[in-house]
Amino acid sequence: EIVLTQSPGTLSLSPGERATLSCRASRTISSNFLVWYQQKPGQAPRVLIYGASTRATGIPDRFTGSGSGTDFTLTINRLEPEDSAVYYCQQFGSSPYTFGQGTKLEIQ
Amino acid sequence: EVQLVESGGGLVQPGGSLRLSCAASGFSFSSYWMHWVRQAPGKGLVWVSRIDFDGSSTTYADSVKGRFTISRDNAKNTLYLQMNSLRDEDTAVYYCARGARFNDYWGHGTLVTVSS
Repeated sequence: EIVLTQSPGTLSLSPGERATLSCRASRTISSNFLVWYQQKPGQAPRVLIYGASTRATGIPDRFTGSGSGTDFTLTINRLEPEDSAVYYCQQFGSSPYTFGQGTKLEIQ
Repeated sequence: EVQLVESGGGLVQPGGSLRLSCAASGFSFSSYWMHWVRQAPGKGLVWVSRIDFDGSSTTYADSVKGRFTISRDNAKNTLYLQMNSLRDEDTAVYYCARGARFNDYWGHGTLVTVSS
């Protein structure tokens, strides 16, 4: 099983700043099948990035995914209050398709 | 419009069984792999199970293997999760989600509570 470790656990930033979220895998994720989701309280997750770096439909270009192999990053530029959420990475390279434990982003 | 609507959640005693359903509409259901993902109250997302286009291939998380069974009825555009031998730690919101290499559409979830 591939273990995904996200850091930091919580990130507190101000509007307009840049957020950098990390997702590290215990072994190489094949074909970079790494996905990022955003989840707000009481809502289902929403896909942001798939294939490590491809933005999903309707996702603004403030959201950027990068990385390969075992180290992946989600960067959110020009933070807005609506970006407050928990962000999860998930790998689809091999079953079980594990999630990271999440990073809580607070915009103050 | 793509829609996934889960149902079948509720309160069940430890050791009991429950069957969840996920009704799909707005897309060609038989063309997509489908997943179940769960989230315990206040906790993170946990992948549970996946089924391929026609049900010929399924995979499970170790924590549910041998107790849960994923299936689908493409004629009814419905995904199922049969949950047996339920434990306290199975308490969670269960989501169904569409996709092979990423989940682009999710249902709203159905709450399963395992408690005596």
